[in-house]
Amino acid sequence: GQQLNQSPQSMFIQEGEDVSMNCTSSSIFNTWLWYKQDPGEGPVLLIALYKAGELTSNGRLTAQFGITRKDSFLNISASIPSDVGIYFCAGLPISGGSNYKLTFGKGTLLTVNP
Amino acid sequence: DTAVSQTPKYLVTQMGNDKSIKCEQNLGHDTMYWYKQDSKKFLKIMFSYNNKELIINETVPNRFSPKSPDKAHLNLHINSLELGDSAVYFCASSQVGEARAYFGPGTRLTVL
Repeated sequence: GQQLNQSPQSMFIQEGEDVSMNCTSSSIFNTWLWYKQDPGEGPVLLIALYKAGELTSNGRLTAQFGITRKDSFLNISASIPSDVGIYFCAGLPISGGSNYKLTFGKGTLLTVNP
Repeated sequence: DTAVSQTPKYLVTQMGNDKSIKCEQNLGHDTMYWYKQDSKKFLKIMFSYNNKELIINETVPNRFSPKSPDKAHLNLHINSLELGDSAVYFCASSQVGEARAYFGPGTRLTVL
């Protein structure tokens, strides 16, 4: 099946720093989604991307759909302690047809030191 | 104003037992899913229903049987529970034709 490579696996940063994480695929995707999961909770949708090159912001978060349609990145600016959590990329391959079967990356665990 | 809800939040049971997890969404979505998150936090789809019809059935043991009484509910029944079934199970929903899935809070299943 489809695989997404998400990196880094984990990050330890100081409050106020900017963060960048990315996801790559060996095949073309037509949708990229970014989720955040807090401990003991379900993933929460942060940003959805639908077109190659699309750049979308949600507060301090910015995500982009790569031009090749095989990658996406998520940036968090001026991190704060509540940014702690696991960030997942998820994608819908172009070959997915009408079955909206998302493929998830393995997550990036973000720790923010106050 | 809960969007996707699941019960129970925690489920601890013995091997060999049968258990069910319930899910309800009040978003008016037509499509509902069950995902499994393992101990390494990897999320994998198990089933997808569209308007009560099964459309995705990944390689899941047939001990797992989803049931959708109406498009707002998708329950998961698991027979003869095994140690390896221990995981967090998430219900999710989306609008038909939309990739954006909205997740419930999860059910942590522990099989002893």
